[in-house]
Amino acid sequence: NFMLTQPHSVSESPGETITISCTRSSGNIASNFVQWYQQRPGSSPTTVIYEDHQRPSGVPDRFSGSIDSSSNSASLTISGLKTEDEAQYYCQSYDSGNWVFGGGTKLTVL
Amino acid sequence: EVQLLEFGGGFVQPGGSLRLSCAASGFSFSSCAMTWVRQAPGKGLEWVSSISGDGGTTYYADSVKGRFTISRDSSKNMLYLQMNSLRADDTAIYYCAKAPSGSHRSVDYWGQGTLVTASS
Repeated sequence: NFMLTQPHSVSESPGETITISCTRSSGNIASNFVQWYQQRPGSSPTTVIYEDHQRPSGVPDRFSGSIDSSSNSASLTISGLKTEDEAQYYCQSYDSGNWVFGGGTKLTVL
Repeated sequence: EVQLLEFGGGFVQPGGSLRLSCAASGFSFSSCAMTWVRQAPGKGLEWVSSISGDGGTTYYADSVKGRFTISRDSSKNMLYLQMNSLRADDTAIYYCAKAPSGSHRSVDYWGQGTLVTASS
């Protein structure tokens, strides 16, 4: 099985744009959809991006997802950062019957 | 509005059993695959098991294969996770989540979770 590697933490100021990466260790990142989940402290996860770039109802278009085959990675971009975006973000993909999660990235908005 | 409500968690001794339930509403339950994901205290997310919309196909993480059984009752809009031979490292919050379609490879809505503690 492969691994998904995320930066441990990132930080940015309100109103700015940030991109969180998720790099697949082996196999093609484009071979299975990538999802992104947000988890605020003390809360259950919510889905902000599924199937690479789709947003569930209610997720603002400040959140966008993309895939880059050249770096074998997926990215979550959040524009117009708000303090409420401060959370842990997990990427997830799939292969050979198994889900794989990244280790999570803590986003601090300061 | 999609709602997923888990219950059935609790305290159990290692080697014991628990059955988790998830009540679903607000969407076409039988059309969507369903998944259980868990989170140990202070740790990241871990996929546990998924089931197809018709219940005919199930998937398990290696860590629970042979001990846990996922099932669903579409007449009641209920998802279940039967957990046997529980171990201390099964201690976690267990989340129920629905897929955006019949594919079990992702989820778009999550429940609030139910805590399972396996300890002597």
